[in-house]
Amino acid sequence: SQELEQSPQSLIVQEGKNLTINCTSSKTLYGLYWYKQKYGEGLIFLMMLQKGGEEKSHEKITAKLDEKKQQSSLHITASQPSHAGIYLCGADKAGTYKYIFGTGTRLKVLA
Amino acid sequence: NAGVTQTPKFQVLKTGQSMTLQCAQDMNHNSMYWYRQDPGMGLRLIYYSASEGTTDKGEVPNGYNVSRLNKREFSLRLESAAPSQTSVYFCASSGTGGYPGELFFGEGSRLTVL
Repeated sequence: SQELEQSPQSLIVQEGKNLTINCTSSKTLYGLYWYKQKYGEGLIFLMMLQKGGEEKSHEKITAKLDEKKQQSSLHITASQPSHAGIYLCGADKAGTYKYIFGTGTRLKVLA
Repeated sequence: NAGVTQTPKFQVLKTGQSMTLQCAQDMNHNSMYWYRQDPGMGLRLIYYSASEGTTDKGEVPNGYNVSRLNKREFSLRLESAAPSQTSVYFCASSGTGGYPGELFFGEGSRLTVL
């Protein structure tokens, strides 16, 4: 099993709806990263969170890291078809360059 | 600015054949990574290289070898391909400072082993 678990595995929403994707780690995270992947393409970096309680936003996407630094959520407000793709959380282990990813959440937005 | 370049983009192998996936980055990054992506499994780390001259095993290293040829290049070799190695392989690089930070990815190499 992977160290980073994401939920849900897949999500289908109507355009305009809000949604949340979660990423949970069994260990305290050093850095937590969110990426988006369009089908068949490479990953694009969205945001990085490092401090407990940190929250960042970019356009209609907001990411939070909990105080214990073991869980992060990605929230999309008023979803659009352009938000469709696979969202992955990633984390690097403190003191090493070992950089792992979660299981991914496949998002489909219906127009 | 090309970023991270992977070759080949597509490859079909027969069981037991060998091949090398090439990766090069032109961003002067210190660390480089190889991942595989299978349906429903996200990305799994195969090997990584924190800096030129070093390589370390990731989550799923069995059946693979790597070479950090120089700062720019990091290759992944399959010595005896197996159908279980059918996957999409991504190379990534990062880090001009003290920690990985954002990863920059190549476009992926789709490998099929028959």
